[in-house]
Amino acid sequence: ETGVTQTPRHLVMGMTNKKSLKCEQHLGHNAMYWYKQSAKKPLELMFVYSLEERVENNSVPSRFSPECPNSSHLFLHLHTLQPEDSALYLCASSQARGLQETQYFGPGTRLLVL
Amino acid sequence: EDQVTQSPEALRLQEGESSSLNCSYTVSGLRGLFWYRQDPGKGPEFLFTLYSAGEEKEKERLKATLTKKESFLHITAPKPEDSATYLCAVGPPNRKLIWGLGTSLAVNP
Repeated sequence: ETGVTQTPRHLVMGMTNKKSLKCEQHLGHNAMYWYKQSAKKPLELMFVYSLEERVENNSVPSRFSPECPNSSHLFLHLHTLQPEDSALYLCASSQARGLQETQYFGPGTRLLVL
Repeated sequence: EDQVTQSPEALRLQEGESSSLNCSYTVSGLRGLFWYRQDPGKGPEFLFTLYSAGEEKEKERLKATLTKKESFLHITAPKPEDSATYLCAVGPPNRKLIWGLGTSLAVNP
């Protein structure tokens, strides 16, 4: 176990549904990340939170809405998604936001949008 | 343009057959190079961080090395449980990590 948990592990949703992904880290870290992983593509950074403040948003469509209520929890709220949003969504955390900081990943949520 | 290229894309080895995976990069002012292992349907598992050319790190059958242009992940006498995708990422100054596409390793018993 890496100390980062994600729920649910699998999710199937229609294009009109609203759902949320949850991430929790038990490592005492101050920075948390959402990534998207699609086949044949490198990991895509979506959002970065540092000390509960969103510090990076990499041109992600507004149908993805992150929330970080405290340094241990991170959510990704999903609404009116498209089939191309089907992917593995990974949460990660690091001690701080510095680029030299090692990121530790959760197991991911496999999302299928029908 | 900052770029990370991993090779080969896929590698099949017999158990005990040592080999190396390559991660070449074009980044100005490297702040760190990271190796991860990813099993199917799971998140990446951290292996190593290298910060400067000449640095080496080892863990069980794995050894990572770093030069100014590339990193190697050497696998000595691999076992079937070493089968996974190995990901490399580099950290340029003040920007997000740049990830490679990974090398898919299969070790046959």
